[in-house]
This record gives sequence, C-alpha cells and structure tokens, in this order.
Amino acid sequence: DIQMTQSPSTLSASVGDRVTISCRASPSLSSWLAWYQQKPGKAPKLLIYKASTLESGVPSRFSGSGSGTEFTLTISSLQPDDFATYYCQHYNTYSWTFGQGTKVEVK
Amino acid sequence: EVQVVESGGGLVKPGGSLRLSCAASGFIVNNAWMSWVRQAPGKGLEWVGRIKSKTDGGTTDYAAPVKGRFTISTDDSKNTVYLQMKSLRTADTAVYYCTTMSETARGVWGQGTLVTVSS
Repeated sequence: DIQMTQSPSTLSASVGDRVTISCRASPSLSSWLAWYQQKPGKAPKLLIYKASTLESGVPSRFSGSGSGTEFTLTISSLQPDDFATYYCQHYNTYSWTFGQGTKVEVK
Repeated sequence: EVQVVESGGGLVKPGGSLRLSCAASGFIVNNAWMSWVRQAPGKGLEWVGRIKSKTDGGTTDYAAPVKGRFTISTDDSKNTVYLQMKSLRTADTAVYYCTTMSETARGVWGQGTLVTVSS
C-alpha cells in the first residue's frame, strides 16, 4: 500500500506569507497526486491534480510540484480565505490514500 | 452543472446495516470511476472504496477496514451510486462522501451524509 506523509501537521502563518506544505509518498507514485482544501463542516475542494495541474476556478496563487515520492503545495501569498486544512491524495487504478492533513492557522 | 447529493445516513446500532445513496446530475455515473470517502469526527479523510466505470468492467475495490462488509453498486436508471454497509461498528461513524477523479466530473463532492453507529 502507498503511504502518504504530510508535513507539517499545523502551520501558523500571516496574510501575505508564502506557504509550503509537503507530502511524501512511499513507494513512488509517479504524478497521481492531488491536493484538497477543506474548511470546517464543508466537503473537500479539489485544488490541484496530476501533481501540478490547477483545477478550473482555483486561484493561481495555488501551485503544486513534484513527482515520484516528494510533492509540494505552495500558496504564493496567503489570503484570509486560505486558512483551512489541506490534504494530499494519491489516486490510481487500485486505491486512494490521503495524507493526514495540514492545518493552516492564523499566526 | 455537475453535482452529487448523498443521502441515507442516520443512527444505527452496532451490527446493523445501512444503505447510502449518491444521486448524480450533470454526468453519467456509469462513465466514471466513483469513490466513497469518509471522515470520522475531527479526523482526516479515509478512502472507503470505488466502482469502476461500466466500460472498464464495473468492478469494485475496498479499503481493508471495510472489505467484506461494504458493497458499492450503481443504478443506471437513477444515475445513482450506492454504498451498502453491514456489520457496522462504532469505528464506522463518519460523514460519508461520494466523489470521483474521472475527467467527466473530476473534483465533484456532495455535502456528505452522517452515519452514527452507537448503541
């Protein structure tokens, strides 16, 4: 089974900060990696798929990179609406696996 | 507009059964690989299982914690995906979502339906 390890589990930041969240996969999973944003009481929202493709309608301040075992979600300039929990997700023809989540909170 | 609406959740006793529904609109569920994902209170996201599109065989795969107890199926006439759950445990308490990464409806999630397993 694929294991997904996200870091950090909590991140304190201010509006305007550049934020980076990491996701490590074991073993390698090519580029079948997605990122989601979730706010309390709401369903997850897809931000990025295939590691670096921005979902339609998602602001360009969000970007994804990486392949193989190391992946990164970057928010170039944190906005008030971005305080939320973020999950990475591996998806392939057999199963899905989610990271444990990273909560981005107000510093 | 592409959307899904989950329903069927509720309170059930340990050992009981429940069937969840995921009604889709704006796309054909049998043309997509549909997954169920759950989220226990205060916890992260957990993949439950998936049914492939009819053209890809319509087969199912499940996560280890639910294998043998949960069954995913579809109804063409209702454009709906089902999650039949039996032998429910307290650890199955969660909000259940249906979703897909298939191109026809990638990223669609419903509002979820809460399943509470408690005596």
